[in-house]
Amino acid sequence: EAGVAQSPRYKIIEKRQSVAFWCNPISGHATLYWYQQILGQGPKLLIQFQNNGVVDDSQLPKDRFSAERLKGVDSTLKIQPAKLEDSAVYLCASSPGAVELFFGEGSRLTVL
Amino acid sequence: SQQGEEDPQALSIQEGENATMNCSYKTSINNLQWYRQNSGRGLVHLILIRSNEREKHSGRLRVTLDTSKKSSSLLITASRAADTASYFCATDGWGAQKLVFGQGTRLTINP
Repeated sequence: EAGVAQSPRYKIIEKRQSVAFWCNPISGHATLYWYQQILGQGPKLLIQFQNNGVVDDSQLPKDRFSAERLKGVDSTLKIQPAKLEDSAVYLCASSPGAVELFFGEGSRLTVL
Repeated sequence: SQQGEEDPQALSIQEGENATMNCSYKTSINNLQWYRQNSGRGLVHLILIRSNEREKHSGRLRVTLDTSKKSSSLLITASRAADTASYFCATDGWGAQKLVFGQGTRLTINP
């Protein structure tokens, strides 16, 4: 069974630029999550989808972050414009039943 | 906001010794899970314990849950170098599907 795929693995941008991350969850998993993990900290939930509907986006900075999950499968997370404090690893996870999460390898963002 | 708080933040032991990590949380939970994260990688699910369970085993892992103290512990017996990683507890509340992670314990196993 293929795992959660994320790309790109690494991205370096300057502040005020934009960036997009892509996630392909495990086939059949209805729930998809985006987490932000700052170095030395635990993952923080940004947004949770159930199929293509948003379940929770209470911690998503909506003035600069956006996410979509078209057709209830792949998802993209966009940051525009990026700030220095957005430097982090962006983790995508999926779950068949919103209990055990399966994580991708993450996309490491460095904002200069 | 972070729900779980792990203790200690860092732990260094010799190979073959047992490692114990603790997690405390603030509000009532439905389930508590433990995840491992190797450096530069994603998180891997280790074990889930439900609020009506007190202890659970999986291979060299033993998890306990004390809902009266709002705390859990993860014991890794006979540690190996490959156990070197960060360990996170994560909780979800009744009716809330959101899984909230703690800050993690960084475990180093010295050969």
